[in-house]
Amino acid sequence: AQTVTQSQPEMSVQEAETVTLSCTYDTSESDYYLFWYKQPPSRQMILVIRQEAYKQQNATENRFSVNFQKAAKSFSLKISDSQLGDAAMYFCAYRPYSGGGADGLTFGKGTHLIIQP
Amino acid sequence: DARVTQTPRHKVTEMGQEVTMRCQPILGHNTVFWYRQTMMQGLELLAYFRNRAPLDDSGMPKDRFSAEMPDATLATLKIQPSEPRDSAVYFCASRSLGSQPQHFGDGTRLSIL
Repeated sequence: AQTVTQSQPEMSVQEAETVTLSCTYDTSESDYYLFWYKQPPSRQMILVIRQEAYKQQNATENRFSVNFQKAAKSFSLKISDSQLGDAAMYFCAYRPYSGGGADGLTFGKGTHLIIQP
Repeated sequence: DARVTQTPRHKVTEMGQEVTMRCQPILGHNTVFWYRQTMMQGLELLAYFRNRAPLDDSGMPKDRFSAEMPDATLATLKIQPSEPRDSAVYFCASRSLGSQPQHFGDGTRLSIL
């Protein structure tokens, strides 16, 4: 079974600084997808960024980027120029590539990100 | 933007009562998921459907939980009888085929007294 581990229950960063959230996963699959979701206090689950395992290039979305290390099974999220609106729980998630594309997500336990003004 | 719609947003009821949670997936999405979020277990997959057919419900307690898709625009999750340990936030998500990500609803916060 796949597992996703987020070793940082909580992180704090000063506004405008950069922060990196860690995620490691365990799988025997060679093709899969990785995601970071953000959950603010409103409890919405918002997709931040995704990475296909077959792509060597790290995904970026504006201030959000990932460092995907396939051999190490590591998928960290970097948030640049942190803003107060970035404060939320961040979940790392894994999904195998199944062809039919119907598999559910396996989530980590989450990292609570605090932004200090 | 198209959104997954879940009702009710909050539900408080007494132990032993039947609970029904509803989900309207995004139009055109053919795969629907149910997840449960608790402090202790985090986010767990309960069940999912593709083209209205159940594909996997291994994460769901079979004795009291049931999930159905009466039609392409409605998915339901029922608990009967409910127990205090069922208290959680229940999320529905949907996606289309291929590499597209899942889109989540706002969840139903369920409290069983």
